[in-house]
Amino acid sequence: DAKTTQPTSMDCAEGRAANLPCNHSTISGNEYVYWYRQIHSQGPQYIIHGLKNNETNEMASLIITEDRKSSTLILPHATLRDTAVYYCIVRAGGTSYGKLTFGQGTILTVHP
Amino acid sequence: EPEVTQTPSHQVTQMGQEVILRCVPISNHLYFYWYRQILGQKVEFLVSFYNNEISEKSEIFDDQFSVERPDGSNFTLKIRSTKLEDSAMYFCASSVELAERTDTQYFGPGTRLTVL
Repeated sequence: DAKTTQPTSMDCAEGRAANLPCNHSTISGNEYVYWYRQIHSQGPQYIIHGLKNNETNEMASLIITEDRKSSTLILPHATLRDTAVYYCIVRAGGTSYGKLTFGQGTILTVHP
Repeated sequence: EPEVTQTPSHQVTQMGQEVILRCVPISNHLYFYWYRQILGQKVEFLVSFYNNEISEKSEIFDDQFSVERPDGSNFTLKIRSTKLEDSAMYFCASSVELAERTDTQYFGPGTRLTVL
């Protein structure tokens, strides 16, 4: 699976959009970009994933660049409860139903 | 909304004792996983399980560890002789094959294992 690079920490004001970047310059054609988050020591929570098109669900939007070498997770209206560690994970699709490799992630702090 | 559950939430044991951590995956899922997270460190993959056998395991998952699906609903992780360094949060996850040929893993809340 391709390696990802994320900023160590970011701040965001409550109510504003939080834009979390991720670089995955070695991503290959069959690899998906997944985003998870972990609040305190709770279990990782799935947010969104995509292959090459932008994706949106009730939690967030995922913008993937045309060359697929980077992506941005957007929380459109951040709340205090969105304070968490956010993980960008690149993982093969197809029949590779295997492990998720977590990095250190980005610590997002949402402040009033 | 279906969710992965884990019991107990906190397990305290003496070094050398056996522990069994239990998980109930989401009911229609086919793939099951265990991860662990030592305090302050990354979430690490331990093992994946499909069709009643291990499909992948990490270097951490040595002979002291075993997994089992004893019935149609539970998925367990056994540590035969616990060591101090086994103290960690243990997360169970499950997933299902989707039509678009990717799978999304959903995690339980974790069991905090403390080895004294």
